Amino acid sequence: GENVEQHPSTLSVQEGDSAVIKCTYSDSASNYFPWYKQELGKGPQLIIDIRSNVGEKKDQRIAVTLNKTAKHFSLHITETQPEDSAVYFCAAITDSWGKLQFGAGTQVVVTP
Amino acid sequence: DTAVSQTPKYLVTQMGNDKSIKCEQNLGHDTMYWYKQDSKKFLKIMFSYNNKELIINETVPNRFSPKSPDKAHLNLHINSLELGDSAVYFCASSPAGIYEQYFGPGTRLTVT
Repeated sequence: GENVEQHPSTLSVQEGDSAVIKCTYSDSASNYFPWYKQELGKGPQLIIDIRSNVGEKKDQRIAVTLNKTAKHFSLHITETQPEDSAVYFCAAITDSWGKLQFGAGTQVVVTP
Repeated sequence: DTAVSQTPKYLVTQMGNDKSIKCEQNLGHDTMYWYKQDSKKFLKIMFSYNNKELIINETVPNRFSPKSPDKAHLNLHINSLELGDSAVYFCASSPAGIYEQYFGPGTRLTVT
């Protein structure tokens, strides 16, 4: 089955700096890669996603890149703000029923 | 308006009891899921229903039984609760054939 690894487990950045989280996946058949943000006491919130036929996608301060050959994808947050502090999860889907395999999560702390 | 809702938000109970968690979505989605998030924040899928039909059933003790009375509702019943069942349980939903999954706020289950 699919296995998703996520690094780093914690990331501390100064406000205004960029943050990058990296994930690798094992199943070359995976075709959908979402990123979720989870704030304390809340459910995961979908913030951006990318499909296997696209190499890069951007939405304001966040962007995701996908390298299918190397089987890795990354989340980039620019101009970080304190409200970006949260746990971020990457995930991958292989089958048509939407079975999401999650990475272990990255705790991002943005310090003013 | 709440898209995916769960009740209760907190559930504290003793070992051996039976409890249920309810989930409702008003997004008109065809597919619903149950995920378990452990104390290390790792998210793992448990079940998925598509139009009231079970389509994903991960390796979960048979003490856990999902029930979908209609496509807008997916409940989770747990028999003979054990200490290890303590976790946060999330319900999610997605449109048929599309992978974006939207999560509810979670139910924190504590077994004493």
